[in-house]
Amino acid sequence: AQSVAQPEDQVNVAEGNPLTVKCTYSVSGNPYLFWYVQYPNRGLQFLLKYITGDNLVKGSYGFEAEFNKSQTSFHLKKPSALVSDSALYFCAVRRSGNTPLVFGKGTRLSVIA
Amino acid sequence: DGGITQSPKYLFRKEGQNVTLSCEQNLNHDAMYWYRQDPGQGLRLIYYSQIVNDFQKGDIAEGYSVSREKKESFPLTVTSAQKNPTAFYLCASSMTGGVNQPQHFGDGTRLSIL
Repeated sequence: AQSVAQPEDQVNVAEGNPLTVKCTYSVSGNPYLFWYVQYPNRGLQFLLKYITGDNLVKGSYGFEAEFNKSQTSFHLKKPSALVSDSALYFCAVRRSGNTPLVFGKGTRLSVIA
Repeated sequence: DGGITQSPKYLFRKEGQNVTLSCEQNLNHDAMYWYRQDPGQGLRLIYYSQIVNDFQKGDIAEGYSVSREKKESFPLTVTSAQKNPTAFYLCASSMTGGVNQPQHFGDGTRLSIL
């Protein structure tokens, strides 16, 4: 079965420092991976998706994700964190075709001024 | 503006009562989804529909029902059989025809028990 795991419930980072939110995947076949962000009492906003062949994917709000096939990872990164980046981040995978996304449990990012 | 509208934002349910959560989209998307979010558990799929008049159960469909009579609308009913309905409910939609199509989300309905 396709699944993703987010090993950290909480990540704390100082403003201006680089941030990483981790995601590992378990899929058979090609992985179709996504990152979303959720602010309090709001829906999920799409950040970026993995496109086959691109190991570094650029997304919204200065975020990027690094795909590593040998480590089965798709970590979300940003070179310089902002306090406004504080939110809940979800990694997701699509099993196949038009099936729904399967989400990880989320990682809460806190950026401290 | 194109998007997904969920209503109401807050909903309270009495014991033994069925309640219906509304989800409307004007993105012309074929597929629509309902997820339930509980703290620390991520999003869990309740039901989804890839075309009008057809829908499939997700991982936690018991105690819930849906209908898809129009492309734009996918209401979710939380029945009295759902014994622990308190959660944040999220509706989403997407285009079909490609594995890398993202899902777009509404701003959710928070359901609580009176």
